[in-house]
Amino acid sequence: QVQLVESGGGVVQPGGSLRLSCATSGFTFSTYAMYWVRQAPGKGLEWMAFIRSDGQNTYYADSVKGRFTISRDNSKSSLSLQMNSLRVEDTAIYYCVKDRIERVQGEFGNWGQGTLVTVSS
Amino acid sequence: DIQMTQSPSSLSASVGDRVTITCQASQDIRKYLNWYQQKPGKAPKLLIYGASNLETGVPSRFGGSGSGTDFTLTISSLQPEDLATYYCQQYDNLPTFGQGTRLEIK
Repeated sequence: QVQLVESGGGVVQPGGSLRLSCATSGFTFSTYAMYWVRQAPGKGLEWMAFIRSDGQNTYYADSVKGRFTISRDNSKSSLSLQMNSLRVEDTAIYYCVKDRIERVQGEFGNWGQGTLVTVSS
Repeated sequence: DIQMTQSPSSLSASVGDRVTITCQASQDIRKYLNWYQQKPGKAPKLLIYGASNLETGVPSRFGGSGSGTDFTLTISSLQPEDLATYYCQQYDNLPTFGQGTRLEIK
């Protein structure tokens, strides 16, 4: 079955950097768009970044544009999120997300368990 | 960005009740609307896609309707395990979520 396993979360100081990874299995990774969605403690869901299946196009929420970079390695079925210039307001659980089916983008059919990023001095 | 507004923000209902949650988009999103259920401490789960299509494995008491700017999630007979926060999300453009509706069981 589909598995999405995030790693790389932790505590970082404001202005610092962190790299999240998502290891996937159970589906043909190279044919699916992938996403990062975050949730601040006690708050709602916020889409962060999106990468098309071939990695050629990426899109970001305004709140992280220029600071975060989404990337993928189709040979390793893995997704990454490089987070730079971190702010206190970036504190959240970060979820790796896959589309429900490969030909329709935006239906978030599978979610990882999430990894917690805490930005604090 | 397309703004999604859910109402109510929270509600309390009894087992067996019919529950309705609404979601309004700031512009026409056709039928590109999903509903998710998030139980405490868990990742969200897709319930409804394309405004009215039930995801595989989701109980038939859940239903979705609407198009354009106004959408509804209905639980026909509330069960104790439906305690959760529910989110709508549009995908006509870059994705955006509603603020969530917290559902409590009386």
